[in-house]
Amino acid sequence: EAQVTQNPRYLITVTGKKLTVTCSQNMNHEYMSWYRQDPGLGLRQIYYSMNVEVTDKGDVPEGYKVSRKEKRNFPLILESPSPNQTSLYFCASSLFLAGGTDTQYFGPGTRLTVL
Amino acid sequence: SQQGEEDPQALSIQEGENATMNCSYKTSINNLQWYRQNSGRGLVHLILIRSNEREKHSGRLRVTLDTSKKSSSLLITASRAADTASYFCATGPKVSGANSKLTFGKGITLSVRP
Repeated sequence: EAQVTQNPRYLITVTGKKLTVTCSQNMNHEYMSWYRQDPGLGLRQIYYSMNVEVTDKGDVPEGYKVSRKEKRNFPLILESPSPNQTSLYFCASSLFLAGGTDTQYFGPGTRLTVL
Repeated sequence: SQQGEEDPQALSIQEGENATMNCSYKTSINNLQWYRQNSGRGLVHLILIRSNEREKHSGRLRVTLDTSKKSSSLLITASRAADTASYFCATGPKVSGANSKLTFGKGITLSVRP
């Protein structure tokens, strides 16, 4: 089944404790992206990747890191999480390099709480 | 500033009625997409309409695009309780290049009463 998977689905952590949220897609998509969703603010892009080893900042990259060592995986790293990073996170992928030209496929979401 | 803005923010209708949701945007687009999100879950793609198209259908969904008014509407006919969800419009920019990304609106909450 074609899908985007994220793990973990739920995570409660404490300020400053490094964490990684994994994202994997099995559709051989070029473009991958991370979003955070907050009430009243909609979806905001954190980072994106147009290909292996090619990543760049989205609209709200502060406090986050990403890597794209393999085409299928795009982990999101919070090196020192803070309470303002409490949010619902989504990974998404699309077939083409230009992420805005085609359908995006979303993962199920990771609900992160930072105490 | 927000590229896509949906209207209304919330909509409550009776099962069987039609639901119409609108989206306006500011800059030229390559395409406009509608997504649905059930509470706390991932977004699911519903339909994509390109800038050279005016209307598109998919099952009970009908999307129109008016590029002169920079607006789109999503019509769900004969709504069902299962249509209760948040609906987002997203625009893909006209100009390709670095981070040709989708920009999402803040969403419309649709409640369909049984």
